[in-house]
Order: sequence, then structure tokens, then C-alpha cells
Amino acid sequence: QKEVEQDPGPLSVPEGAIVSLNCTYSNSAFQYFMWYRQYSRKGPELLMYTYSSGNKEDGRFTAQVDKSSKYISLFIRDSQPSDSATYLCAMTKMDSSYKLIFGSGTRLLVRP
Amino acid sequence: GAGVSQSPSNKVTEKGKDVELRCDPISGHTALYWYRQSLGQGLEFLIYFQGNSAPDKSGLPSDRFSAERTGGSVSTLTIQRTQQEDSAVYLCASSSQAPDTQYFGPGTRLTVL
Repeated sequence: QKEVEQDPGPLSVPEGAIVSLNCTYSNSAFQYFMWYRQYSRKGPELLMYTYSSGNKEDGRFTAQVDKSSKYISLFIRDSQPSDSATYLCAMTKMDSSYKLIFGSGTRLLVRP
Repeated sequence: GAGVSQSPSNKVTEKGKDVELRCDPISGHTALYWYRQSLGQGLEFLIYFQGNSAPDKSGLPSDRFSAERTGGSVSTLTIQRTQQEDSAVYLCASSSQAPDTQYFGPGTRLTVL
């Protein structure tokens, strides 16, 4: 079983919809949680970074962490065709390297 | 400012050949990471550098893989005697210091024929 589970999708929504992306994890040692967006043939780019349970908002994006349930979410409001990409959750433990452990990624398609 | 750069962007090689992949991190970033992204395995950690030393090599899949970093800057990932299963996108990331944000390069797409 993988340490981080993420539904691969694809997820197809109409423009303007609210999108919900989720990951679950099994190791309670994870302390930092991130969401990356990756366009085709590009490197991942950081969208959100949180380290505590609760919500964090940045524009149209809201990241939610529930450490008691080992569950994280990313919400995208008023989705746009330009949001079409693969969304990767990532997390790290407080160890010497802080290497990222990624989910498998969810492909999102926002239809005009 | 300049981001993380990687070269080459694409590399096609024959099975059994050696390849070298290069990463130029963001200037001043002391932490550097190599990851591999493949269809079957997703995005996986390979090795972590702090300065020129590599305190975490736990993700290197075999002794055919090695990496070095010189001058606290450029890093090279070397794969010896390449196999078809080495085909993947190799991504480099850097951060000012762990656990700060990791910024990724565009990757090198390696195809082993």
C-alpha cells in the first residue's frame, strides 16, 4: 500500500464549477502538506503549502488539512479552462531531508 | 529571476549506454533534490543534497545510479548501463534550505531504446 493515495481521475468539469481534489495518507509522521500543479511536459509548480490542520485560502484555491483523519483536500472555485492540468498532493516528514512523498496525481479537465 | 534549469530536455539512448543529466538550481539554494516521474510509479524521490554532500540517497534504485554536486551549485545525475525501465522524466528541485518550498525544473525526458 502506498503512503499517499490519490484518485488519478480524470476529472472533467464545466467552466465555473467548484473542484474538489483529495488525498489520504497513512503515516502520521507527515507534517507539511503541499499541492502542486503540473501542466503537460512541464515541471510541477507549487500552489499551496500548509503545515497545520485547518483551511488555508489563496485566491480561488483553498487547501484543507485534517490530520486526525489523515486527509487533505484542494478546492478550486470558479474553475477555468486554464486550470486543466494534473494536480499532485505531496507531503513530508520532519526529518533530515524533507523529501517529498507524492500522490499519483489527479488529471483535471475544465471544459469551456 | 532564473528558475531551476535542466539539460538536456530530451535524451534518447540505447540500452547499455551511460547518460548524464544536469541540473542548475536557483542561485543560493543549498538544498537540491532529484526525483523521477514514470507512468507506473508516479513521482519518486531519488537523492537529496545539502551543499555538496548527499545525506539521503535512499531513493536511488540501484548502484547504476549516482549523483554529485560541485561548488554547492550544479548537480549531475549519472545512470550507467541504462535499462529500458530507466525511461522516465527526471526532475530536479531546489530550495533555499529544507523544508522550504521546493522549486522544480522542467525535467529531462529519458528514453532508453
